Amino acid sequence: QVQLQQSGPGLVKPSQTLSLTCAISGDSVSSISSAWDWFRQSPSRGLEWLGRTYYRSKWYHEYAVSVESRITVNPDTSKNQFSLQLNSVTPEDTAVYFCARDNCATGVCYPNDSWGQGTLVTVSS
Amino acid sequence: EIVLTQSPGTLSLSPGERATLPCRASQSISNNRLAWFQQKPGQAPRLLIYDASTRATGTPDRFSGSGSETDFTLTISRLEPEDFAVYYCQQYYNSPRTFGQGTRVEIK
Repeated sequence: QVQLQQSGPGLVKPSQTLSLTCAISGDSVSSISSAWDWFRQSPSRGLEWLGRTYYRSKWYHEYAVSVESRITVNPDTSKNQFSLQLNSVTPEDTAVYFCARDNCATGVCYPNDSWGQGTLVTVSS
Repeated sequence: EIVLTQSPGTLSLSPGERATLPCRASQSISNNRLAWFQQKPGQAPRLLIYDASTRATGTPDRFSGSGSETDFTLTISRLEPEDFAVYYCQQYYNSPRTFGQGTRVEIK
């Protein structure tokens, strides 16, 4: 059974960098049948996909247009985890952030079948 | 990007009743790449249905999904107390994957 455990600060100052980590158990960040997503949820924006990383002979990264100039999602194979960095944050980035897995095996894809517990990140001075 | 519209925002129903939750897409979703999630307060979303009508592992059979192209429906045949929650549709046909704004099923 896959488990995702998020960690990172709950308070970030404006203009600074939001950093979160998602530790994986029961799967590998390098699995060729999985992809690793970050989402956020706020009352004003609802559930919003931010970006992902996945390995298919090489590493790929995809980002939402709304944050692509500020976001990095990176794997860490030594610790079997992946991370989110969001630069130059403003109060509008205040949200609950989630990591999640996409799983495609034997031709069937299970969208976001496992999620982290969520981290409330508040952007405030 | 594909916009998903869920209306009504809230359904007030009693336990044992049938719930019908619609989801309309701004453009056709090929291969029925439409999923339904349940979210309870303080929890992450939980995958219930994928490919529009396939129940995920552990999803009770009182939950069913139907529809194609731009119109999809989640049906809960008989509401149990634990089913009162918010339900989101999600399309994963193209990037960015997007969610509807959710339908809250509350106890009448």
